[in-house]
Amino acid sequence: AQSVSQHNHHVILSEAASLELGCNYSYGGTVNLFWYVQYPGQHLQLLLKYFSGDPLVKGIKGFEAEFIKSKFSFNLRKPSVQWSDTAEYFCAAAEGNNRLAFGKGNQVVVIP
Amino acid sequence: KAGVTQTPRYLIKTRGQQVTLSCSPISGHRSVSWYQQTPGQGLQFLFEYFSETQRNKGNFPGRFSGRQFSNSRSEMNVSTLELGDSALYLCASSLGSAGELFFGEGSRLTVL
Repeated sequence: AQSVSQHNHHVILSEAASLELGCNYSYGGTVNLFWYVQYPGQHLQLLLKYFSGDPLVKGIKGFEAEFIKSKFSFNLRKPSVQWSDTAEYFCAAAEGNNRLAFGKGNQVVVIP
Repeated sequence: KAGVTQTPRYLIKTRGQQVTLSCSPISGHRSVSWYQQTPGQGLQFLFEYFSETQRNKGNFPGRFSGRQFSNSRSEMNVSTLELGDSALYLCASSLGSAGELFFGEGSRLTVL
């Protein structure tokens, strides 16, 4: 079964700082990868996805993620965060159809 | 376009009781998945239904069951509730099968 690990569960940073969240998955074959975000009081929503092709994918709100197959990684980045980026971020890998394996999440707090 | 709707939003049950949760997917979405979210285990896949058929099942005991109706609405049932079943139960719908999910706000179950 697929497993997904995320590091640095709690991240606190100031506005305009850069953000990078690590994600590693276990399955070595073809895999669809995702980052989902949950803003305070809101439901989980898709931030970005990787299916194939260009390993650098761009999502909403200035986020991007890089797929590195040799490292089994799919790290999320944003060059300059805003207070509104305060949220919990989840990395996920599709195990088949719509069965996703999620990481434990990163709680990100951006201080104005 | 209306999002994924889950009812009830909150409920309290006692051990040994059973509970039924309901999910209405986004119009046109035929896949409905269910996830359990707890602080300790994170997001865990319960099952997925597509066109009234269970297509995937997670590693949960048989007390957890679900079904999907012809209008794609889905229900999940938990029988003989245990304290450990206290969690946020999330429903997600999808147009395809690639893992791009649209989540509802969840049903928060507390078992006393």
